[in-house]
Amino acid sequence: DGGITQSPKYLFRKEGQNVTLSCEQNLNHDAMYWYRQDPGQGLRLIYYSQIVNDFQKGDIAEGYSVSREKKESFPLTVTSAQKNPTAFYLCASSPGQGLNEKLFFGSGTQLSVL
Amino acid sequence: GQQVMQIPQYQHVQEGEDFTTYCNSSTTLSNIQWYKQRPGGHPVFLIQLVKSGEVKKQKRLTFQFGEAKKNSSLHITATQTTDVGTYFCAHNTNAGKSTFGDGTTLTVKP
Repeated sequence: DGGITQSPKYLFRKEGQNVTLSCEQNLNHDAMYWYRQDPGQGLRLIYYSQIVNDFQKGDIAEGYSVSREKKESFPLTVTSAQKNPTAFYLCASSPGQGLNEKLFFGSGTQLSVL
Repeated sequence: GQQVMQIPQYQHVQEGEDFTTYCNSSTTLSNIQWYKQRPGGHPVFLIQLVKSGEVKKQKRLTFQFGEAKKNSSLHITATQTTDVGTYFCAHNTNAGKSTFGDGTTLTVKP
């Protein structure tokens, strides 16, 4: 069953704690993305990766970090420097990195601060 | 980067009524994509428009791309309760980035 798997579905973070959100895809897609969604708002790009071992900052990268050691995996770490981390986090992938690529999304992770 | 503005933010309709959401940009767009996110779900790709004046239909949904490629619309005829959700427009750049509008949330009263 092909697709994008995000885990966990719900995650709670304590003050000063780093947490890592998992994203795995078996679609053999080259590009992967992380978006943040706040209530009533659109999706804002955090980081994206067009190829293994390479990634670029999106529009709101501060307080986040990523790695792309394998084609299938693109984990996102929310660091303690992110002061307002409560949000719905969506991972996505696309077949290539050019124009007119459509995105395939995972089911998301809801992160809350304790 | 290029931004896309979407209106209205919310739309409440009676089942059977029509619904339209609009997406506007101050600059020319190379393409426009539309996604639907059901309540509690994730965005799902609906369609992509790339040509000036392009019109595409999917059953009761009609998508248009403006002649100047600066605006787009999604029109739903005779809404059903299954149409509820948030509809996003997005622009995909040649750097592989997609910029999303803030979405229009549709509620349908049976």
